[in-house]
Amino acid sequence: AQSVTQLDSHVSVSEGTPVLLRCNYSSSYSPSLFWYVQHPNKGLQLLLKYTSAATLVKGINGFEAEFKKSETSFHLTKPSAHMSDAAEYFCAVTGSARQLTFGSGTQLTVLP
Amino acid sequence: DTGVSQDPRHKITKRGQNVTFRCDPISEHNRLYWYRQTLGQGPEFLTYFQNEAQLEKSRLLSDRFSAERPKGSFSTLEIQRTEQGDSAMYLCASSPYGANVLTFGAGSRLTVL
Repeated sequence: AQSVTQLDSHVSVSEGTPVLLRCNYSSSYSPSLFWYVQHPNKGLQLLLKYTSAATLVKGINGFEAEFKKSETSFHLTKPSAHMSDAAEYFCAVTGSARQLTFGSGTQLTVLP
Repeated sequence: DTGVSQDPRHKITKRGQNVTFRCDPISEHNRLYWYRQTLGQGPEFLTYFQNEAQLEKSRLLSDRFSAERPKGSFSTLEIQRTEQGDSAMYLCASSPYGANVLTFGAGSRLTVL
């Protein structure tokens, strides 16, 4: 079975400062890992995915994440936050089963 | 193609009533998923279809819930005898065969009074 823990339920940053959203995973298999973003009243949008290729994964809108097997982590970062980044972010893992297992989400607030 | 479509977007019903949600996936995607998302939580897997075959069901999918995908295209999720605990966002997603990237719809929000 697989699971995901998002270590912060809320993160608040100032516009133009770096963003770090933390995710730890547990999986019995070689995992595929994902970050999704959800804006209010919208569906989840894929930001990036890791599927056993390069450990540093670049996604859309300047986000990137690094897979660290020794730490079972897949933290999401962005060098400079923009007001439009304010949303809820979900880390997810898939293993042998075909469904995604999601974390409980991190609400990102960007202050002007 | 406009992505994954879900209807209705919002449904308010009284306890004990039946409700049905529809999902139209991306046309070339043969896998279709249903998830449930409650306030402050991440989406939880309910069930999954490959073409018209329902291949997996979560323990969350009680006998009051039924999902179908009769022709391998659109899907319906029916909840019978709704309870207040059924209030949630019901998300549909689709993916091509062999891919593990899901494209989500905007969801159908259910409120049970």
